[in-house]
Amino acid sequence: DADVTQTPRNRITKTGKRIMLECSQTKGHDRMYWYRQDPGLGLQLIYYSFDVKDINKGEISDGYSVSRQAQAKFSLSLESAIPNQTALYFCATSDRNSGGGYNEQFFGPGTRLTVL
Amino acid sequence: EDQVTQSPEALRLQEGESSSLNCSYTVSGLRGLFWYRQDPGKGPEFLFTLYSAGEEKEKERLKATLTKKESFLHITAPKPEDSATYLCAVRGGSNYKLTFGKGTLLTVNP
Repeated sequence: DADVTQTPRNRITKTGKRIMLECSQTKGHDRMYWYRQDPGLGLQLIYYSFDVKDINKGEISDGYSVSRQAQAKFSLSLESAIPNQTALYFCATSDRNSGGGYNEQFFGPGTRLTVL
Repeated sequence: EDQVTQSPEALRLQEGESSSLNCSYTVSGLRGLFWYRQDPGKGPEFLFTLYSAGEEKEKERLKATLTKKESFLHITAPKPEDSATYLCAVRGGSNYKLTFGKGTLLTVNP
């Protein structure tokens, strides 16, 4: 079974609709992230969470919100979707290393979102 | 601001033709340089972490090296199944954020 799962895997919606993307992990990691990927732009950080009570904005948080329901669950919401939010969305997790820093991030399979 | 530049943007090789991908970076206090492989429509798959200049890591036909300004991903005798986009990322002094490059699309023809 996959360690990091995302639902849905594909979603087509219309401008103005509210959309929620969900991420679950079984790795036991404390830190979770949401990224979007656009062709030619690389991965951009939307939000990240250190733990259930610690949520932080990333580079491109405008138009997005998140909820950390539990250590293993991190949801991304688009309150009113717009066409330029059409992209691939990835959830990732990481763990703390022995030196107090953080190890590599592990990514989910992604959600392809199309906003018409 | 941390920056990562990968080159070339695309590379086409014949099976067995060795080559290298480059990742140049600017970061304040490198806390780690990461290589990922990404297949079309899938999430990035972790390959290597390098922490200090001179460090090398190997996995099958891949070898990653690190200097103070750049990292190389050497691919020895590639096979068609090595075709993918290879992403480089750095973590700087902030210790939470990864800055990704745009990737190198590698195609290995049989």
